[in-house]
This record gives sequence, structure tokens and C-alpha cells, in this order.
Amino acid sequence: GAVVSQHPSRVICKSGTSVKIECRSLDFQATTMFWYRQFPKQSLMLMATSNEGSKATYEQGVEKDKFLINHASLTLSTLTVTSAHPEDSSFYICSAGGAGEETQYFGPGTRLLVL
Amino acid sequence: QKEVEQDPGPLSVPEGAIVSLNCTYSNSAFQYFMWYRQYSRKGPELLMYTYSSGNKEDGRFTAQVDKSSKYISLFIRDSQPSDSATYLCAMNQGAGNMLTFGGGTRLMVKP
Repeated sequence: GAVVSQHPSRVICKSGTSVKIECRSLDFQATTMFWYRQFPKQSLMLMATSNEGSKATYEQGVEKDKFLINHASLTLSTLTVTSAHPEDSSFYICSAGGAGEETQYFGPGTRLLVL
Repeated sequence: QKEVEQDPGPLSVPEGAIVSLNCTYSNSAFQYFMWYRQYSRKGPELLMYTYSSGNKEDGRFTAQVDKSSKYISLFIRDSQPSDSATYLCAMNQGAGNMLTFGGGTRLMVKP
């Protein structure tokens, strides 16, 4: 159980375009979803926390107008990277936690390359 | 000083060895402790989850938590080349709370 999917698994786009990444909890309802980015050989960096039906809470230094997060249902959260630039190229990973759960279950990640 | 410290490694062991991975932390409010395994270019996979102090065993994996010392460990018995990955410790204060991660230890098990 506790499966989280992400789509797409990898995306290549031109500078200035927007990219949407979907995160779905397949077999449980995720009251809280988290978005991380990870650079090569580094640990996970939390970008934002989202609760279903509420605005996301962004970590310090993360531009909320650039990284739009929507958590419209208990099984789906989306991250949109707006006007992407090469420095946004990274590995983006979502995680989800069920109601009353202390653990988080991670998606397989999305590799974004901005040319 | 980071809230959670973890030796980055790499830790290289021969196949069949017992592996010990460790983290120390500074926030005494942490109550829930997890170990994740992350293969290259993949999302982290939850291996073990423990609450408060004590031991938990699952197959070849044993997780230990010593809250008095603020020290947690993951032991891997009969290590296999397929165990080669980065191991992340993580902890939080309760449900819905963000996880605080260690930096990860890269493990290499050589056949």
C-alpha cells in the first residue's frame, strides 16, 4: 500500500515555458502533500507543504509565484514551474501523508531539464 | 549546526557484511523516526518507521532509537549488492509535520 505516483517522470522544455508536474496518491487519501527538489548528490530540500483545499506554505527562499502548487483533492497535487529557466533544472519529488500519519510516502520523482 | 547529522560516506562493505548507519539529532521534540532508501534518480522508499525509543526489526533491517542520546541507527544484516543506495534518516514531531532529513549516507556493497 501507500503508493504515490508522479507524472511526467522526465521533461525537457525551453527556457520561458511553464511545466506542470502531477503527484497522485493511488491507494490512500493524502491530507498533506510535500514538494521537494534535489540537486545531484545532495539531500532533499523541502519547497512547500500543501493541505487539501488550502494554500500551500512555502519554505523560505522559495518563490511562490514561480512554483505554483495546487492541492485540489485528497489524491492530487500539482506543481507548476512558471517561466522555467535553466537554473530550475532539478529533480522534483513529491511526498504524501495520510490523515493522522507521521510518515510520508514519496513519488518516483520528476527530472526537469530546462534548455 | 544542522538539526540532523549523518555521515555522507561513501561506506563500502563486502557482500554479507553487517552495515551500521547512524544519525544524531539535536531537537528533543522529535518523536517519529524513519529510514528511507534512495536509489540513484529515484524517489526515496520508506524502509523503517519507529516511534520513540526502542528497536524494530523487519527482515534484514533493524532500526534503533535512543532518545536519551539523540541517536538513531539502521542495521543491515547479510548486506547485498542490491542494498547499494543512499540511506536517509528522517524524523518529525508528529502527524502532518514536515520531515527533517539527514544528508544521507551512500552505501556500496561490493560482490
